[in-house]
Formats: sequence, structure tokens, C-alpha cells
Amino acid sequence: SQQGEEDPQALSIQEGENATMNCSYKTSINNLQWYRQNSGRGLVHLILIRSNEREKHSGRLRVTLDTSKKSSSLLITASRAADTASYFCATANEAAGNKLTFGGGTRVLVKP
Amino acid sequence: DGGITQSPKYLFRKEGQNVTLSCEQNLNHDAMYWYRQDPGQGLRLIYYSQIVNDFQKGDIAEGYSVSREKKESFPLTVTSAQKNPTAFYLCASSPFAGAGMDVSNQPQHFGDGTRLSIL
Repeated sequence: SQQGEEDPQALSIQEGENATMNCSYKTSINNLQWYRQNSGRGLVHLILIRSNEREKHSGRLRVTLDTSKKSSSLLITASRAADTASYFCATANEAAGNKLTFGGGTRVLVKP
Repeated sequence: DGGITQSPKYLFRKEGQNVTLSCEQNLNHDAMYWYRQDPGQGLRLIYYSQIVNDFQKGDIAEGYSVSREKKESFPLTVTSAQKNPTAFYLCASSPFAGAGMDVSNQPQHFGDGTRLSIL
């Protein structure tokens, strides 16, 4: 079973707009990671946020984590056509060691 | 450039045939992983290895086998027992901090995948 569930499953926006996607999970975690996957390619790590952190930034990316609600959000600001990809959250918990459990992903289309 | 190389990019399997997917990394990472991705889905863990000559089953290991004879290499064999092998296979690696360390706080680095289809 998948630990993380992304919402929405798909998102279409205009270039320059912000894109927000959410991830909910079921069990306690050590950290939550976000990855991007371009069509037909491997995943690229974006951000890792630890369970004791609430917010993290990396360039145009902003990730929040609310452990009380077991949810995280990824915000992409000022989107570009090159941001078109699928975005996955993945959770790691102590019982699973270094194994990651991935959600089903959000497919983002940024229209020029 | 350090990275993970998967080969071949496309692979076709006949009924009853075993096929082996290659995964090589030059990142000096201890841990390596194999995932399966079906269309429009997330990744599911097949096997993983945290150290040479040792590996563990993931969530969907049936019909697959692996070996880890060298740190750099983690080949995956899709056996004839895997009845629905058509999928996109991704290999990943991560540093492994060792016993007593918080090993879960490690991002994974991915190869560009092998797409396996049935003839």
C-alpha cells in the first residue's frame, strides 16, 4: 500500500502562475521527500524535510510539513514550462529503515 | 560526472524468458534499490541492498532476483515467474551512514530507467 497520497492527481496552469500540490500520509515519519520526474526519465530529488521542521525553501520551491495533520505541501512559484513533470512525495520512517514509500504523484502541466 | 547508468533503455522479453537489467553507479554509494513503476503510478520497491553481498526483499519481490557482488553494480533479473513484467524499472542509490546512524535522511539518486515490454 502507498503511504503518501498526492492531491490533485493532475494540475494545469499558465506559465508564471503558482502550483500547489499536497501529500497526505498515514504513519509517523522521520522525513518526507519530494521528487520530480520528467516524462520517461528517472526521478530527481528536490527537497527533504525532517519531521521536526515545518517549512523549507529551495529556489522557487517551498515545502511545508504538518505532522499533526500528516500532510505536506509543495509550492512552485512563478512556474515555467520546464516545470512540466510529475511530482512525487516519499516518506521514510524508522521502522522501514532507509526505504522510501512513494505516493502516486501529481502531474503538472505548465502552459507557455 | 558521477551518476547511475541503467541499460538497456528498452528491453523486450519473450514468454518463459529471464531478462537481466543492468544498474551501475559511480557515486560510491553503499545502498542501491530497484523500483517498478506502472503507467500513471508511483514507485514500488522490488529489492534493496545496503551493503555488498547483502540484499532484502521489498514490497513486490516475487518473480524477481538480484545480486550485489560489487558496490557499483546491482543487476535485476526478471524471471519467467513474473507474469506481468511490462513496466518501467528504476534503479536508485543513496549513501548509507552505517549502523547506529539515521539512515533514513538520505535522498536517493535515480537512473533513467529501463522500459520492459512483453513480445
